[in-house]
Amino acid sequence: GQNIDQPTEMTATEGAIVQINCTYQTSGFNGLFWYQQHAGEAPTFLSYNVLDGLEEKGRFSSFLSRSKGYSYLLLKELQMKDSASYLCAVVDSNYQLIWGAGTKLIIKP
Amino acid sequence: EADIYQTPRYLVIGTGKKITLECSQTMGHDKMYWYQQDPGMELHLIHYSYGVNSTEKGDLSSESTVSRIRTEHFPLTLESARPSHTSQYLCASSPHDRDTGELFFGEGSRLTVL
Repeated sequence: GQNIDQPTEMTATEGAIVQINCTYQTSGFNGLFWYQQHAGEAPTFLSYNVLDGLEEKGRFSSFLSRSKGYSYLLLKELQMKDSASYLCAVVDSNYQLIWGAGTKLIIKP
Repeated sequence: EADIYQTPRYLVIGTGKKITLECSQTMGHDKMYWYQQDPGMELHLIHYSYGVNSTEKGDLSSESTVSRIRTEHFPLTLESARPSHTSQYLCASSPHDRDTGELFFGEGSRLTVL
């Protein structure tokens, strides 16, 4: 079956750096998304990777290794507003999105 | 900023009632989706559409129906609500010309069935 694995919860300190990992086993691969979802709100798009390597966008960066079935989201200079769930989603061979359960990130002062 | 709207935002109803969750988008997107999400859990695809008069079933479609008569409108209907339907329902849209385009989500409809 298809599977996306992410840690359930992580805690980090304001101003620090945190890396959220995502490993996947899917039938084919046509890209990987990261979404941010604040409690009680809808997910919002953060990044999309389809080729290996690092994509940087401000304080957020996303890395992909297709051979390892692995991605991470790197958040720098953490702010309290970054407290949210971070969802990893993979586009499979049928161009369907397979979602992970999300990683709840708690930021402490 | 995404222009996709869901109503109602919150709904509490009794078992056996028929309900329709509304979703409208003003971005002209061809692709639209309905997801169900329980707290701390992954999104589950209920139905999706690639355009007018196109509807497809997802993983959790057996107890609901959708229609796509207009590009901007994609309502979801539960014919007979049950407590197991209690959940958050998220509508999303995506541009047609990118199979891997990002999804734009509505604010969600939180349903409680008593």
